[in-house]
Amino acid sequence: QVQLVESGGGVVQPGRSLRLSCAATGFTFSRYGMNWVRQAPGKGLEWVAVIWYDGSIKYYADSVKGRFSISRDNSKNTLYLQMNSLRADDTAVYYCARDLRPVTAITAPVGDFDYWGQGTLVTVSS
Amino acid sequence: DIQMTQSPSSLSASVGDRVTITCRASQSISSYLSWYQQKPGKAPKLLIYAALSLQSGVPSRFSGSGSGTDFTLTISSLQPEDFATYYCQQSYSTPWTFGQGTKVEIK
Repeated sequence: QVQLVESGGGVVQPGRSLRLSCAATGFTFSRYGMNWVRQAPGKGLEWVAVIWYDGSIKYYADSVKGRFSISRDNSKNTLYLQMNSLRADDTAVYYCARDLRPVTAITAPVGDFDYWGQGTLVTVSS
Repeated sequence: DIQMTQSPSSLSASVGDRVTITCRASQSISSYLSWYQQKPGKAPKLLIYAALSLQSGVPSRFSGSGSGTDFTLTISSLQPEDFATYYCQQSYSTPWTFGQGTKVEIK
């Protein structure tokens, strides 16, 4: 069965860096676009970033552009989120989420998320 | 960026009630609209995609409708396990954006 397991969260000081990982099992990882979505405590969902199935194209939310970087290693079935220059408002549970459709003749992700990890909490605080 | 606005922000309903949640986009998004259910401490779950397509395994009491800027999620007969927060999300253009959520509580 499809499983996504995030790791790497924790408490970090403002201005520091953190790298999140998402290990994928149960499906052909290299055929799917992947995303990070976050949720601040008691707040709604915010899409953070997407990466194409082959890592060729990436898009980011304005709130993280220039500070966060999404990447993937298809040989390890793992998605990453490198977070630099962290701020207090980056405090959230970070979920990795799979795009609904595998790549076909149309390579772009559809932007619907059918499987989610359990989330990893990132707390930015001095 | 496309803004998504849900109404109401919360509602109280009884088991067996018909429940309707609306979502409005700040510009036309065709049918690029999904609905998610989230329970406390859990990851969101995809219910509906492409405005009206039921995700595999989701009970048929959930349905979606709409296109353009106005969309609706309907639960035909509310069950105890349906008490949760519901989010709409547009996938028309990045940044993909969510509504603020609608919390469905027990009356």
